[in-house]
Amino acid sequence: QQQVKQSPQSLIVQKGGIPIINCAYENTAFDYFPWYQQFPGKGPALLIAIRPDVSEKKEGRFTISFNKSAKQFSLHIMDSQPGDSATYFCAASIHSGYSTLTFGKGTMLLVSP
Amino acid sequence: DVKVTQSSRYLVKRTGEKVFLECVQDMDHENMFWYRQDPGLGLRLIYFSYDVKMKEKGDIPEGYSVSREKKERFSLILESASTNQTSMYLCASGAGTSGRNEQFFGPGTRLTVL
Repeated sequence: QQQVKQSPQSLIVQKGGIPIINCAYENTAFDYFPWYQQFPGKGPALLIAIRPDVSEKKEGRFTISFNKSAKQFSLHIMDSQPGDSATYFCAASIHSGYSTLTFGKGTMLLVSP
Repeated sequence: DVKVTQSSRYLVKRTGEKVFLECVQDMDHENMFWYRQDPGLGLRLIYFSYDVKMKEKGDIPEGYSVSREKKERFSLILESASTNQTSMYLCASGAGTSGRNEQFFGPGTRLTVL
């Protein structure tokens, strides 16, 4: 079964810290790796995504690092703020065909003031 | 603004009842998805549809069925609800056939089966 393993399950950092969430995958056919952010009472929303032809992608304070040989990717949040407190899901999919997303189990992030 | 709406935010049903969860999207997306979200288990795909009247099983289809009679509407059906189907149900839609296309999620329906 295709899997994406996500860690840690929960994370608490102080304001200004740099939380890091890690994901690992098994299926080498995966070629698209998005991160979704979910606030309480809301559905998940796309935050940032990366393709395996680059090792890093930045959008504002959010950075994805990608290690193709290790089959791992991670999300870094620079200068974290209390408003970043949310659940974060990594995911992976295959580009071709009627592809679906395989999600990790999620990381609950709390950024304390 | 992109919108996926779900018919109920909260629903309480009794064991054995037939339950309908409705989802409507206004983005003319081809693909629609039903997930359930449980603590510690993340998002698990129940069914998806890439066209009207088409459906495909996801990872956990047992105990569920779906219906897509119109492009904008995707229904999840619990034929005989059981307590282990108590969960948060999320609907999503997405364009095209590429796995790289963004999925847009509704706010979820929290279903409790007593």
